[in-house]
Amino acid sequence: GAVVSQHPSRVICKSGTSVKIECRSLDFQATTMFWYRQFPKQSLMLMATSNEGSKATYEQGVEKDKFLINHASLTLSTLTVTSAHPEDSSFYICSARYPGGGYEQYFGPGTRLTVT
Amino acid sequence: GENVEQHPSTLSVQEGDSAVIKCTYSDSASNYFPWYKQELGKRPQLIIDIRSNVGEKKDQRIAVTLNKTAKHFSLHITETQPEDSAVYFCAASMRRSGNQFYFGTGTSLTVIP
Repeated sequence: GAVVSQHPSRVICKSGTSVKIECRSLDFQATTMFWYRQFPKQSLMLMATSNEGSKATYEQGVEKDKFLINHASLTLSTLTVTSAHPEDSSFYICSARYPGGGYEQYFGPGTRLTVT
Repeated sequence: GENVEQHPSTLSVQEGDSAVIKCTYSDSASNYFPWYKQELGKRPQLIIDIRSNVGEKKDQRIAVTLNKTAKHFSLHITETQPEDSAVYFCAASMRRSGNQFYFGTGTSLTVIP
């Protein structure tokens, strides 16, 4: 149990375009999901907390108008990188918090975004 | 937010030896401390976790210790094997801020056969 998927696994886009990444909890309902960004050989940096049915909470320094998050259902959160630039190229990973008030988070496999 | 520091950044051990990775955190309200293992290009996998009401937890070759007073926690891997080679991340979380995870900078562990 506790499987989280992400789609796509890899995406290449041109500078100035937008890219949508999906994060799904496959076998549980997740009221809270999280989005992280990871540069090569670096740590996971929390970008935002996605709450079902409400606005996302962004970490300091993360542009909410550039990284649009929508958590429209209990099993799906999406991250849209708008007007992408080469510096947005990174590994984006989502996680979903297991329900029941616990702390555990289960991670998706990540999406490698390359902006050319 | 919480600030988590992790040391060392790289660690090489001989197969069969022990490996220790240490983390410190800044916010005394943090009350959950997971450890994740990440292989190249893959998702982080939870290997062990500890809550603030416990000082030590063990699962076979892996153990975690927590010192709340000093605000540090450590991962101990005994009898290391080549398949333990990966990047390990510690994290700290607190319920009052929504249970977000703040990760350490990672430790690249290499187990030499």
